[in-house]
Amino acid sequence: EDQVTQSPEALRLQEGESSSLNCSYTVSGLRGLFWYRQDPGKGPEFLFTLYSAGEEKEKERLKATLTKKESFLHITAPKPEDSATYLCAVQKGGSYIPTFGRGTSLIVHP
Amino acid sequence: GAGVSQSPSNKVTEKGKDVELRCDPISGHTALYWYRQSLGQGLEFLIYFQGNSAPDKSGLPSDRFSAERTGGSVSTLTIQRTQQEDSAVYLCASSLAVTDYGYTFGSGTRLTVV
Repeated sequence: EDQVTQSPEALRLQEGESSSLNCSYTVSGLRGLFWYRQDPGKGPEFLFTLYSAGEEKEKERLKATLTKKESFLHITAPKPEDSATYLCAVQKGGSYIPTFGRGTSLIVHP
Repeated sequence: GAGVSQSPSNKVTEKGKDVELRCDPISGHTALYWYRQSLGQGLEFLIYFQGNSAPDKSGLPSDRFSAERTGGSVSTLTIQRTQQEDSAVYLCASSLAVTDYGYTFGSGTRLTVV
């Protein structure tokens, strides 16, 4: 059974304090790993798709990396507006249905 | 429209009543998904539609849940004889094609069964 585990469940940072969120997964034949951001009362907003180990993608202060067992979402010098829940999802080959983790709730204090 | 539209945004219903939730995907998006999100839980897949193909209903939790998509566009999720455990946020997402992983989600319908 595909499993996606995100850690930590919650993270509090001071503005400018860089950190990383973790997404570990077990899936046979990874087709893709996705990161989403979700603000309260809204649907998830797509950030990145990673397809193979060693791949990296960046967007503003966010950088996502992928290994064969986990992905990291690095947040560099975060700002309060980066506060949100970050969701990770994996999709295995032959399936069109991503499996989501429970997310990491990030709060960045000014 | 510019995004995925869901209605109503909030729904309070009495236990045992039927409810219908609506999703208007982005025009031209052929793939449509329904997910359910409960407090502290991840997104739970319910059903997906791709073009005119038969929908994948493998995530529907019981036969009280059904969904249809008319004309390859608007979708309706129906929950019959609602139970308290059905309380959750129901999210709809669409994408250009099943292989396009950048799903666009709506803001969801918050369903409360009392």
